[in-house]
Amino acid sequence: EDKVVQSPLSLVVHEGDTVTLNCSYEVTNFRSLLWYKQEKKAPTFLFMLTSSGIEKKSGRLSSILDKKELFSILNITATQTGDSAIYLCAVGRPGSNYQLIWGAGTKLIIKP
Amino acid sequence: NAGVMQNPRHLVRRRGQEARLRCSPMKGHSHVYWYRQLPEEGLKFMVYLQKENIIDESGMPKERFSAEFPKEGPSILRIQQVVRGDSAAYFCASSPSGDSINYGYTFGSGTRLTVV
Repeated sequence: EDKVVQSPLSLVVHEGDTVTLNCSYEVTNFRSLLWYKQEKKAPTFLFMLTSSGIEKKSGRLSSILDKKELFSILNITATQTGDSAIYLCAVGRPGSNYQLIWGAGTKLIIKP
Repeated sequence: NAGVMQNPRHLVRRRGQEARLRCSPMKGHSHVYWYRQLPEEGLKFMVYLQKENIIDESGMPKERFSAEFPKEGPSILRIQQVVRGDSAAYFCASSPSGDSINYGYTFGSGTRLTVV
């Protein structure tokens, strides 16, 4: 069965810390992996990864994909309280151009 | 650009009532997707619609749930005779084409349905 597993399920750190969130997947015919940030509203798109070893970066956030080991990590450096959110990982469902298989998310809490 | 608009944001229904959730896609987007999110679970695909057409409803429960996207107006997700297990957040997303996994969806803020 195709699945996406995120870890940890929740994480509490202090402002300024660096965090690494994990997303592993078991999906046949992999095409892309996407990261989203979900606060108390719409999930917002962060990154899409298709190739191994190529880091995507946006400010303090970065992400990389390992297609051999079937996982991706999302790094956040110098965390701020505004980074508190649920971070969702999703992978394209095999044979579909639009369906995504979603992980349960990592709930990140940044304490001041 | 108003983004994907969903309403209502919160909806409370008694068991047995009907729930209607609305979604207006982003301007220029003609493809709409509905997802359901249960507490501490990932988003689960329900249905994919284009204007006046249901493209894929493989994630919809066979009974009580229906969706439409008329030529004019928003997409509607309808749940008849709601039960407590229908309580969840329902998210709508839109894209300009059906090849959305190549660049990600744009999500609405969701409707949180509570069945009492």
